[in-house]
Amino acid sequence: DTEVTQTPKHLVMGMTNKKSLKCEQHMGHRAMYWYKQKAKKPPELMFVYSYEKLSINESVPSRFSPECPNSSLLNLHLHALQPEDSALYLCASRPDPRLYNEQFFGPGTRLTVL
Amino acid sequence: QKEVEQNSGPLSVPEGAIASLNCTYSDRGSQSFFWYRQYSGKSPELIMSIYSNGDKEDGRFTAQLNKASQYVSLLIRDSQPSDSATYLCAVYAGGTSYGKLTFGQGTILTVHP
Repeated sequence: DTEVTQTPKHLVMGMTNKKSLKCEQHMGHRAMYWYKQKAKKPPELMFVYSYEKLSINESVPSRFSPECPNSSLLNLHLHALQPEDSALYLCASRPDPRLYNEQFFGPGTRLTVL
Repeated sequence: QKEVEQNSGPLSVPEGAIASLNCTYSDRGSQSFFWYRQYSGKSPELIMSIYSNGDKEDGRFTAQLNKASQYVSLLIRDSQPSDSATYLCAVYAGGTSYGKLTFGQGTILTVHP
């Protein structure tokens, strides 16, 4: 298995809803990432997990809550989002947190907040 | 100064031509360099990685790295309409930002028949 999968592909939620995004990889990668991407902009880093521990939080608002239950799975819990949080949410992984190696992206979840 | 800068674009080339995409970076300690291709509405796809000075070729793609000039480029030979996409240059910095990829703003490439 050589890919990063993300579910759901699309998500529409109201500002009072609670939802979760899921990311999975079975490549044995030990670093996993959440990015947010707005139209015509590069991906913007949100969180990094290294060996299942949160290693980077780019000052993301608390309405976004990441979780890494095991080395293959990464979740992003969403609560009380704002319309400006509508974006493409990308998960990525890379093999070894100790090395500057390639990151591989999942297909993304297109999130719309009404 | 932006950490990673790319051709402002958009770049338009005829089918069969060579497309040249350029990227400069500000951190001399940068370790690894990547080019991603992103089609509209899709996620970034890794197409090239380069770690040492010189050229690296993969099919129609050649990445060139010059650490002294802090410059990395991507050449696409025999450009095809299917190469039309946004190309993102990405760099790992050294030091405390370990693990964080810094992206350029992207260059939109259009290959016209």
